[in-house]
Amino acid sequence: EVQLVESGGTLVQPGGSLRLSCAASGFSFSNYWMHWVRQAPGKGLVWVSRINTDGSSTSYADSVKGRFTISRDNAKDTLYLRMNSLRAEDTAVYYCASESLEGATIDYWGQGTLVTVSS
Amino acid sequence: QSALTQPPSASGSPGQSVTISCTGTSSDVGSYEYVSWYQQHPGKAPKLMIYEVTKRPSGVPDRFSGSKSGNTASLTVSGLQAEDEADYYCSSYAGSNNFVVFGGGTKLTVL
Repeated sequence: EVQLVESGGTLVQPGGSLRLSCAASGFSFSNYWMHWVRQAPGKGLVWVSRINTDGSSTSYADSVKGRFTISRDNAKDTLYLRMNSLRAEDTAVYYCASESLEGATIDYWGQGTLVTVSS
Repeated sequence: QSALTQPPSASGSPGQSVTISCTGTSSDVGSYEYVSWYQQHPGKAPKLMIYEVTKRPSGVPDRFSGSKSGNTASLTVSGLQAEDEADYYCSSYAGSNNFVVFGGGTKLTVL
């Protein structure tokens, strides 16, 4: 069974930094492209970032480009999101998700971790 | 990249059918056969219900079906059941830079 378990969400001050982690199990993590998607309280889903299987290729939404960094450790079956210069509008539940092998579809999702940016 | 447009709400009685629309542009929905639909119950993670416009993952009831015409995709839920009450989000592949764009979500109420 595919499992994605996020951690690291907490309350952080504006301008602060945070690293989210996502532990994967139940599938061959190193074979899958991975994503972060966020959802502000009471709002819809917004794609954040994507990383290829070996970490050599990444892409970001314009709203986080230059502030967030996605990475992975295939030896540890873990996905990361480093978040710098955090703003109030970054407050959201952050979901880790996998992309299907066929591509272009986000299929499995973790339960999410809440990041709150507030003074 | 603008979000896809969904109606904020939809409703139907048990046993009825309801269709939720998802309107994009020629840069996303209209250009790719990679439209997905997700079901999200309160406080839960999204669950993939439809992918590649019409395909259902294993375990998803055949009461759920998808279609697309031009820049608009649709999700139809037939034989509505109480457990279908949830938020539904569409998404479309939008190219290698933006990858995916989501709709704003539709709250489905089973009356």
